[in-house]
Amino acid sequence: AQSVAQPEDQVNVAEGNPLTVKCTYSVSGNPYLFWYVQYPNRGLQFLLKYITGDNLVKGSYGFEAEFNKSQTSFHLKKPSALVSDSALYFCAVRTGTALIFGKGTTLSVSS
Amino acid sequence: DTEVTQTPKHLVMGMTNKKSLKCEQHMGHRAMYWYKQKAKKPPELMFVYSYEKLSINESVPSRFSPECPNSSLLNLHLHALQPEDSALYLCASSSRRTSGGVSPDTQYFGPGTRLTVL
Repeated sequence: AQSVAQPEDQVNVAEGNPLTVKCTYSVSGNPYLFWYVQYPNRGLQFLLKYITGDNLVKGSYGFEAEFNKSQTSFHLKKPSALVSDSALYFCAVRTGTALIFGKGTTLSVSS
Repeated sequence: DTEVTQTPKHLVMGMTNKKSLKCEQHMGHRAMYWYKQKAKKPPELMFVYSYEKLSINESVPSRFSPECPNSSLLNLHLHALQPEDSALYLCASSSRRTSGGVSPDTQYFGPGTRLTVL
């Protein structure tokens, strides 16, 4: 069965420091992996996706993610965190026509 | 433009009411989705429409009735809901390209309808 795991419920980082939100996956075949962000009382906003090709994917708002096939990981990163990055982040894998989401990681950036 | 719109933003209804949620997209997408999301939890898939036909129903109770009148519109009709149905209901859309049976296309989400059932 296809699945993704986000091992951290919460990540805390100081503004200006680099951030990493972790995601590991378990899929058969080639994975199609996505990151979404959700601000309070809002829908999900697409950040980036990995389909094939370059293992470093660049997305919206300065975020990037590194696909690592040997470690089955797709960690979300940003070189310098902003307070406005504080939100709930979901990793997801595409299976058929549906998305399967991880449980989510709350990112808290302090000033 | 990657906008999916949903109305209403908020809805409060009693257990005997009938109401509808509406979703609209003008991106030419041919796949549309309904998700249910509880607070601080991941979205859970409810229904998938592909080319205006229902292709997936994730064993959703019949008190939720989806409808896809045309390729741009998706409705969710609600009847005799329970308090535990209170949640954020999200609509999404995507293209319908496939690669080996799996679509790599991005799902774009609307802002959601916050539903409260009293």
